[in-house]
Amino acid sequence: EAQVTQNPRYLITVTGKKLTVTCSQNMNHEYMSWYRQDPGLGLRQIYYSMNVEVTDKGDVPEGYKVSRKEKRNFPLILESPSPNQTSLYFCASSLGEPHEQYFGPGTRLTVT
Amino acid sequence: GENVEQHPSTLSVQEGDSAVIKCTYSDSASNYFPWYKQELGKRPQLIIDIRSNVGEKKDQRIAVTLNKTAKHFSLHITETQPEDSAVYFCAASKRTGGFKTIFGAGTRLFVKA
Repeated sequence: EAQVTQNPRYLITVTGKKLTVTCSQNMNHEYMSWYRQDPGLGLRQIYYSMNVEVTDKGDVPEGYKVSRKEKRNFPLILESPSPNQTSLYFCASSLGEPHEQYFGPGTRLTVT
Repeated sequence: GENVEQHPSTLSVQEGDSAVIKCTYSDSASNYFPWYKQELGKRPQLIIDIRSNVGEKKDQRIAVTLNKTAKHFSLHITETQPEDSAVYFCAASKRTGGFKTIFGAGTRLFVKA
């Protein structure tokens, strides 16, 4: 089954404790992206990647890191989480050109 | 900076009526305009999209129109049904060495039976 998976689905952590949210897709998509969703703000792009080893900042990259060492995986790293990073995070993948994005199930992160 | 404005933020219609959601984008380089539907607790899913070389696209009860000059695009849902109740997001994307996507803030649609 073609899908985008994320782990964990729920995470409660404390300020400053490094964490990684994994994202994997099995559709051989070149393009992957991370978004955060906050009430009244829609989906805001954090980082995106056009292919292996090619990443770029979206609108809200501060406090986040990403890597794309393999085509199927695109982890999101929070080196020192802060409470303002409490949010619902979605990973998405797509064919190379602007095209339909397939979203993962979401990761609800709470930073206390 | 680049942004996408979406209106209204909330829309309530009677079953069978039409619903229209409007978006305005700021970046004239945008060339792909998708609409996503997000049901409560679920992930966003594409319902229709349009590219900048097309003015209108229709898929059964759903249609999207694009006015590049005015930088407007709209979603039209006809004969609404209770299962159309969800949050709808518009977005504008452009390819400039990357694939940057800006989403609107969303419209919560309620369809009353």
